[in-house]
Amino acid sequence: DAGVIQSPRHEVTEMGQEVTLRCKPISGHNSLFWYRQTMMRGLELLIYFNNNVPIDDSGMPEDRFSAKMPNASFSTLKIQPSEPRDSAVYFCASRTSGGSSPLHFGNGTRLTVT
Amino acid sequence: DAKTTQPNSMESNEEEPVHLPCNHSTISGTDYIHWYRQLPSQGPEYVIHGLTSNVNNRMASLAIAEDRKSSTLILHRATLRDAAVYYCINTPPNSGYALNFGKGTSLLVTP
Repeated sequence: DAGVIQSPRHEVTEMGQEVTLRCKPISGHNSLFWYRQTMMRGLELLIYFNNNVPIDDSGMPEDRFSAKMPNASFSTLKIQPSEPRDSAVYFCASRTSGGSSPLHFGNGTRLTVT
Repeated sequence: DAKTTQPNSMESNEEEPVHLPCNHSTISGTDYIHWYRQLPSQGPEYVIHGLTSNVNNRMASLAIAEDRKSSTLILHRATLRDAAVYYCINTPPNSGYALNFGKGTSLLVTP
């Protein structure tokens, strides 16, 4: 079991550029979550999918953020255009269905927008 | 989802037991209680979960109040490697629910 795989681990980009973060959930997991973490705001839920369908995107900051899950083994979080305030660590997590199932987190992508 | 309340920080001496409290007074009857921890520069990792009964695993013990409105994560002998932020969350029995983390408790372990 390779765990949740996120790429890239680090991303440095200039303001205005498009950024795409990638996530491969654990095989067999049918729920996927994107979180953002900053010192000021802690760990914030951005969006989550169940069976590849977005369930709640109310945590997405604004229209510059979008997320897709084209199949059960891949998801992307896109920021276009990026701004310095988007600098944060972005985590992807997955789990199987059922309240007793734990969340498995990836190692995160540290995004720096200059 | 049910909101949880945890102290911002706690401190413990190495080799001593640590009791990390969590209040979840609005928990529903079918919500699970999950604990996670986040070591520096890493993603959160699962620690333990329970529903009604106390639970033990190799990492920790979970004590759940009889009315389920609070729980306590117990680290029996804190080590320096246990220094982390500990999160308590309630998870509904079915999938398709948001899993929101609060600020957690930052545990400092001193030699």
